[in-house]
Amino acid sequence: AQTVTQSQPEMSVQEAETVTLSCTYDTSESDYYLFWYKQPPSRQMILVIRQEAYKQQNATENRFSVNFQKAAKSFSLKISDSQLGDAAMYFCAYRSVGATSGTYKYIFGTGTRLKVLA
Amino acid sequence: SQTIHQWPATLVQPVGSPLSLECTVEGTSNPNLYWYRQAAGRGLQLLFYSVGIGQISSEVPQNLSASRPQDRQFILSSKKLLLSDSGFYLCAWSSRVWAFFGQGTRLTVV
Repeated sequence: AQTVTQSQPEMSVQEAETVTLSCTYDTSESDYYLFWYKQPPSRQMILVIRQEAYKQQNATENRFSVNFQKAAKSFSLKISDSQLGDAAMYFCAYRSVGATSGTYKYIFGTGTRLKVLA
Repeated sequence: SQTIHQWPATLVQPVGSPLSLECTVEGTSNPNLYWYRQAAGRGLQLLFYSVGIGQISSEVPQNLSASRPQDRQFILSSKKLLLSDSGFYLCAWSSRVWAFFGQGTRLTVV
């Protein structure tokens, strides 16, 4: 079974600075997706960024970028120019692909709470 | 555009009472549907997922059950709630690429 591990329960960053959130996963599959979701105090889950395992190029969405190391099974999120609105719980997620029925199971880590200091 | 509705937003139920949480999706057909639970300070635990009407897969043995009576309707139920069922429940649907979540239901069993 696949697992996702986020070893940093909490991180802090100064406003306008850069922070990196860590995520490692375990799988025997060669093709999969990885995601970062943000959960602000409203508890609405918001997709931040995704990465296809077959792509070597790291995904980027504005101030958010990932460092995807497939061999090491590592998927970290870098937030540049941190803003107060970035304060939230961040979840790393793995999505498997079912062999025949298209069963997409999303496995989440335990989350990292990011605090942004003014 | 696709939207997902989940209700109620908040629920307080006594131990031993039944539960029914409903989730509906608009703007898409034959979605994969999911129920997750988020306990306080913890990650998201996958409870059930469904790839079609009447097709339910359970991930964790528990006091809960799920049903999918219509293509875009997913229901989470319990016949008798336990204190340990308290938590934040999230419904989600999936396209081929990513998952979209409802607003969640905060369930408190007292």
